[in-house]
Amino acid sequence: QQQVKQSPQSLIVQKGGISIINCAYENTAFDYFPWYQQFPGKGPALLIAIRPDVSEKKEGRFTISFNKSAKQFSLHIMDSQPGDSATYFCAASIAGNTPLVFGKGTRLSVIA
Amino acid sequence: NAGVTQTPKFRVLKTGQSMTLLCAQDMNHEYMYWYRQDPGMGLRLIHYSVGEGTTAKGEVPDGYNVSRLKKQNFLLGLESAAPSQTSVYFCASSSLDRRGALHFGNGTRLTVT
Repeated sequence: QQQVKQSPQSLIVQKGGISIINCAYENTAFDYFPWYQQFPGKGPALLIAIRPDVSEKKEGRFTISFNKSAKQFSLHIMDSQPGDSATYFCAASIAGNTPLVFGKGTRLSVIA
Repeated sequence: NAGVTQTPKFRVLKTGQSMTLLCAQDMNHEYMYWYRQDPGMGLRLIHYSVGEGTTAKGEVPDGYNVSRLKKQNFLLGLESAAPSQTSVYFCASSSLDRRGALHFGNGTRLTVT
């Protein structure tokens, strides 16, 4: 049973464009939703995270949008750059209670 | 500041052989995790530990054992390796107050022939 469903599997975006990656979850007890970024040959690194008491969180060019009623959250990368090319994972957990459950990942390629 | 260090970086095993993957963290984190990453499957939790001397099963624990005898170390053992265990293994750690902020090592690429 996949608790966090991520789409698309891969994404190609022009430099300067907007990259959008979506995740959906089933467990309404989840209350912490991070995104991780992974470059080839490296471990994932925390990029940005949100809790369900807010609908949006922005850090620089990266924004998480959260829709509690639809049980969906998404990552938006504004003004995408070739250096953003990486694999992105969404995740969810019940804070203080369970380990993170990860989506299957999205491979983003930003082309000039 | 080393963060999370995994050894070895690469390993090739024959079916039936055993090995131990080592993970060390220098951030005094309480929680430690072992994940495996396979193409199209994302990161799947094998085992985790919420403190020294404690371990718990994750999503895919079969064929693996773990030990956490010291707070800074988390060992993953394969008693009898199988080709299905060919994967990239990641260790991670997190603190008590920021449990969802995982710090990952750079992985161990294991091939079982």
